[in-house]
Formats: sequence, C-alpha cells, structure tokens
Amino acid sequence: DTAVSQTPKYLVTQMGNDKSIKCEQNLGHDTMYWYKQDSKKFLKIMFSYNNKELIINETVPNRFSPKSPDKAHLNLHINSLELGDSAVYFCASSQSTGGFFEQFFGPGTRLTVL
Amino acid sequence: SQQGEEDPQALSIQEGENATMNCSYKTSINNLQWYRQNSGRGLVHLILIRSNEREKHSGRLRVTLDTSKKSSSLLITASRAADTASYFCATVHTSNTGKLIFGQGTTLQVKP
Repeated sequence: DTAVSQTPKYLVTQMGNDKSIKCEQNLGHDTMYWYKQDSKKFLKIMFSYNNKELIINETVPNRFSPKSPDKAHLNLHINSLELGDSAVYFCASSQSTGGFFEQFFGPGTRLTVL
Repeated sequence: SQQGEEDPQALSIQEGENATMNCSYKTSINNLQWYRQNSGRGLVHLILIRSNEREKHSGRLRVTLDTSKKSSSLLITASRAADTASYFCATVHTSNTGKLIFGQGTTLQVKP
C-alpha cells in the first residue's frame, strides 16, 4: 500500500505547455507539501496545505498553482512551462503542521521541459 | 536563503566502517531532521532531534546536535552496502508551519 503516490512518474513536454502533477496520500494526514529538487539535488519547499488551506507559499512563479480538492489530495498545475522548470517534484505529507511531525515523501515526478 | 550546509558532499567507505556526516545551519531552530534518499526515490525520514536535545540514537544511527555551534552530525555505524544513498539534514525554524529547509546533502557510497 503506497502511502504517498504521485502521477505521473515521468513527464516530458515542450516549452509553453501546461501540465499537472497529481498527489494522493492515504495516511490520513492533514498537511501536504510540494518540493522541487534541482539537478544538484537541492530540495526546496514550494507550497504546503493544511486541511485544504494554503499554509506555505514560497517565492514561486505564479505559473505554479497548487490545488487541494480534499485533504488527501494536492495537485500541482504548471502553466507555460519553461526550461528551468525541469526538475524532480516531490509531494509529501505529515500528520499536521508544526515541524515536529516527520514528512512522508512520494516517489517524485521527473519533469523534463524540451 | 539555504539554511543547511552539509559536509562532506561525498563520502566513500568500505562496508563495516563508520560514516559521519555533518550539517551546519545559520539561524535558530526548533528541531533538526535527517532524511535518506536512495537513487531515484523519495526521501525517507530517519530521525528528529529537538533543539533541547544533544544526542539521539536509532538503531545504527546516532545524531548529535550542538546549538551553540549550530551544527549536527549523523553517524552511521557498521555501514552496509544498502546504506548507499544521499543523506540530507533539514531544519525547522521556530514556527508552526512545518517548513523544512534542506541542506545540500551528502552522497554516501558504501563499497561491499
């Protein structure tokens, strides 16, 4: 049973396209996150939601829009894709906000923009 | 700005040896966490140490925290080939958002 799942695992697309990445967790957690890992393995928080409410919104281009239809799902939509968006995107979840809870990560979605 | 910096960036040892990775950070923290990432996979939580703790153990893992030096270390004893992975420290500020700030990571290779 996969705790945090993401689809697709790989995404190859052309510059200018719009794409979405889906994330689901079956852990019953209240908080979900999106991270971006670049080619040097540097991992940076993008967004977090707690029970469908936006909690963290880092300095991310507004081409990126997270959507949380319910607390088990957090999707990431990216408009007008650029070469620099190529990275691995990880979804994660934790029991709640407040830093003392371990985060459970999905397997990642490798996005390649051509 | 990037909070954690890890040292060394890469480490190669023989099976059975101990591996030590260090993490430094810049500002006050609430807690510090260590994660492992196997190649092509997501991160897995290893251990969390609170700012008022100095040392914590979990199996073959030992984590220390020195808040006066703003540094932490992860020691893996009696390493195995399966320990080959990247290891990241992540810090939580004194806030309630759960925001993790990751270091650059240490890539560990354990040779059989």
